[in-house]
Amino acid sequence: AQSVTQLDSQVPVFEEAPVELRCNYSSSVSVYLFWYVQYPNQGLQLLLKYLSGSTLVKGINGFEAEFNKSQTSFHLRKPSVHISDTAEYFCAVTRAGGTSYGKLTFGQGTILTVHP
Amino acid sequence: DAGVIQSPRHEVTEMGQEVTLRCKPISGHDYLFWYRQTMMRGLELLIYFNNNVPIDDSGMPEDRFSAKMPNASFSTLKIQPSEPRDSAVYFCASRPRDTYTEAFFGQGTRLTVV
Repeated sequence: AQSVTQLDSQVPVFEEAPVELRCNYSSSVSVYLFWYVQYPNQGLQLLLKYLSGSTLVKGINGFEAEFNKSQTSFHLRKPSVHISDTAEYFCAVTRAGGTSYGKLTFGQGTILTVHP
Repeated sequence: DAGVIQSPRHEVTEMGQEVTLRCKPISGHDYLFWYRQTMMRGLELLIYFNNNVPIDDSGMPEDRFSAKMPNASFSTLKIQPSEPRDSAVYFCASRPRDTYTEAFFGQGTRLTVV
């Protein structure tokens, strides 16, 4: 089984500042990793995913994440945030390959609040 | 594409009543997932289907919950009888057979049991 820990439940930041949302995972098998964003009263939207290859993954809205296998981490970063980035962010993991792919295990979420 | 469509968006019901949540996955997607989101437990997988067949229902909390997928374009999640602790946002998601494609989520149904 896999598990995900998001180390910060809330992250306040000022507009145009950089931000990092931390995610650690645990798994005995190879995994795929995802970051989803949830705006108020909305469903989850994929920001980016890591399947294989380059450990630095770029996503939508200027976000990127780095997969670190030795530290079992997949932290999300953005060099300069905007007010519109205010949302809840979820890190998720699934077993790589096979029919269980897509059976996502989510972290508890990190609420990012961008202040003017 | 209209995406994953869930109905209703909001549901308020009295304890003991039957509740049915509906989901229309994206056309051509082979997998369908039902998730529940609560403050206490976060996002948890309830059940998922592959080609209309339930594959893993280990997340279904108890016998009061049941899910069906009578065809490739429709799924239901039923709670009978409902209890206040079932209050949550229920999400449906679907994905195609392609191993490298992520799941797409619907807007969710906010259920309140009073």
